[in-house]
Amino acid sequence: NAGVTQTPKFRVLKTGQSMTLLCAQDMNHEYMYWYRQDPGMGLRLIHYSVGEGTTAKGEVPDGYNVSRLKKQNFLLGLESAAPSQTSVYFCASSYSVGPEGARRYGYTFGSGTRLTVV
Amino acid sequence: QQQVKQSPQSLIVQKGGISIINCAYENTAFDYFPWYQQFPGKGPALLIAIRPDVSEKKEGRFTISFNKSAKQFSLHIMDSQPGDSATYFCAARRRTSGSRLTFGEGTQLTVNP
Repeated sequence: NAGVTQTPKFRVLKTGQSMTLLCAQDMNHEYMYWYRQDPGMGLRLIHYSVGEGTTAKGEVPDGYNVSRLKKQNFLLGLESAAPSQTSVYFCASSYSVGPEGARRYGYTFGSGTRLTVV
Repeated sequence: QQQVKQSPQSLIVQKGGISIINCAYENTAFDYFPWYQQFPGKGPALLIAIRPDVSEKKEGRFTISFNKSAKQFSLHIMDSQPGDSATYFCAARRRTSGSRLTFGEGTQLTVNP
């Protein structure tokens, strides 16, 4: 049971280049998320998906696109990388268990992709 | 704007001491409040979480205190150990909008031996 797997783990891009970050989960979770982590700013939501074929914008969506063609995969694309997109990117998936009123929520994070744009 | 505010930014505690990290939120649509622990090079991992109908939750050395009227919650780490040295994030879940989490800015905790 691998959980949430992100590829690649590291990448250096030149300004203007494009790339795709892949997130795969094997837990059959409906919801998936892409966050970016920057020093002193916590994790900020880029885009998220509530199911196969659906995507929605988060707090900081500009410059990114996403796709969820299969339930287990959530792709994050950078069409024209900029230095401001230098960050650590985390993918996560979520589930809920328990009855209404006592429901618990779980979020599983990948180990991150460190992206540097020069 | 930051909907979940976390303080302090960094914290240094002696082994055996109590570490306290505070968070405040604004949005009443939040209905679940987890704390995450992150070690360098790793993704955040759930530490403990609380629902707003409970004022306190304890799991081992970790306790969340929740004040719904003040819209504040805090993490207390009792008998802090060097192995607790990590970055801690508070978060809040929206009951709508895809069950998304909003995170605080993070606290870098160092526990000296």
